Amino acid sequence: ETGVTQTPRHLVMGMTNKKSLKCEQHLGHNAMYWYKQSAKKPLELMFVYSLEERVENNSVPSRFSPECPNSSHLFLHLHTLQPEDSALYLCASSQDNRVANEKLFFGSGTQLSVL
Amino acid sequence: DAKTTQPNSMESNEEEPVHLPCNHSTISGTDYIHWYRQLPSQGPEYVIHGLTSNVNNRMASLAIAEDRKSSTLILHRATLRDAAVYYCILRDLRGSRSGGSNYKLTFGKGTLLTVNP
Repeated sequence: ETGVTQTPRHLVMGMTNKKSLKCEQHLGHNAMYWYKQSAKKPLELMFVYSLEERVENNSVPSRFSPECPNSSHLFLHLHTLQPEDSALYLCASSQDNRVANEKLFFGSGTQLSVL
Repeated sequence: DAKTTQPNSMESNEEEPVHLPCNHSTISGTDYIHWYRQLPSQGPEYVIHGLTSNVNNRMASLAIAEDRKSSTLILHRATLRDAAVYYCILRDLRGSRSGGSNYKLTFGKGTLLTVNP
């Protein structure tokens, strides 16, 4: 148990659906992250939030829309996805993303399949 | 970006030490060296990090070369539970949208460690 909880663990959706991934951290951290892990590819950083402000957006398509309503919760809203978006989506948190020696704590991820 | 190079895979036997190498010849003076591992069906897990000196914790040891261009993660007695992908990462500093600085953790392909019983 890392203190970062992601729901759902598995999600199957059609290309016209709208769904949301949820992440919650119980560690009192101020920074939260979304990573994408496709099969046989390295983890890719998607978004970074620090104190609820988005500080990083790595050229992610607009069909992925993040939301950070408070420092404990992070959402990834999905709409009109493509089959190539099927991947493991990982959430992480850290105390402060402005410090180089900070540790990241990851959730177990949501395995997304787009049909 | 400062990049790291790791072997694609390594194999060890249970109860034996494992030395996982990492090259980072373009490391800058302020880059921290981080190691994470990812067990099957889980998110990555922090293992250890260091800047210049060797580091020890309950999970592993980190040996950093004097010129900092390479490092080695040492698992003193491998167990079956240590089978995972091990990532060596340099945490690099970027500018943020708000004008401040923020550190990114950029993962490579890592080393797949297999532990034989």
